[in-house]
Amino acid sequence: DVKVTQSSRYLVKRTGEKVFLECVQDMDHENMFWYRQDPGLGLRLIYFSYDVKMKEKGDIPEGYSVSREKKERFSLILESASTNQTSMYLCASREVTNEKLFFGSGTQLSVL
Amino acid sequence: AQTVTQSQPEMSVQEAETVTLSCTYDTSENNYYLFWYKQPPSRQMILVIRQEAYKQQNATENRFSVNFQKAAKSFSLKISDSQLGDTAMYFCAFMKLRNYGQNFVFGPGTRLSVLP
Repeated sequence: DVKVTQSSRYLVKRTGEKVFLECVQDMDHENMFWYRQDPGLGLRLIYFSYDVKMKEKGDIPEGYSVSREKKERFSLILESASTNQTSMYLCASREVTNEKLFFGSGTQLSVL
Repeated sequence: AQTVTQSQPEMSVQEAETVTLSCTYDTSENNYYLFWYKQPPSRQMILVIRQEAYKQQNATENRFSVNFQKAAKSFSLKISDSQLGDTAMYFCAFMKLRNYGQNFVFGPGTRLSVLP
């Protein structure tokens, strides 16, 4: 089975801190995604990457950046965390043949 | 831009009964996929069922089936013989085909509780 691993399940940070959320997949998928999940809003796409060093903005990229130096790893960076970035963050990778997304277990980030 | 609407924020069903979750979407695309994803309390999002828009036949996966009405842009999920393990958030999602990478658009979700 495909495994998508997010480095932290819960994270508490202070306003203004730089935050790194790490995601690793083990199936050589080219496409990886970072979503933000908020109640009543569903999942909203922050960034996605379609290959190493290739990235594209999603619907809500403001305040975020990403890094993909290796195919298996896709990192989300909050340059200066703010309280409105308190949320659940989900990483996913895409299996092309079945058009299927595989998700990590999410990181619940609280910014105080 | 595509949008996905789930009009039922919360639903409940008795164990062993049948429940239908509704989903509508808006798109001008002709070729796309539709999905239902389940997120149980463990937070691990998993795919329940998938439908290709070009297929007229409704997809079925064991106790889960869909009613896909392309003209009406409707994609409902029916869960038969509901089990306690079906308790979860259910997200309807749309995906259009692109040259590279894809963007999935998710609805706001329906929280389903299966009652013993």
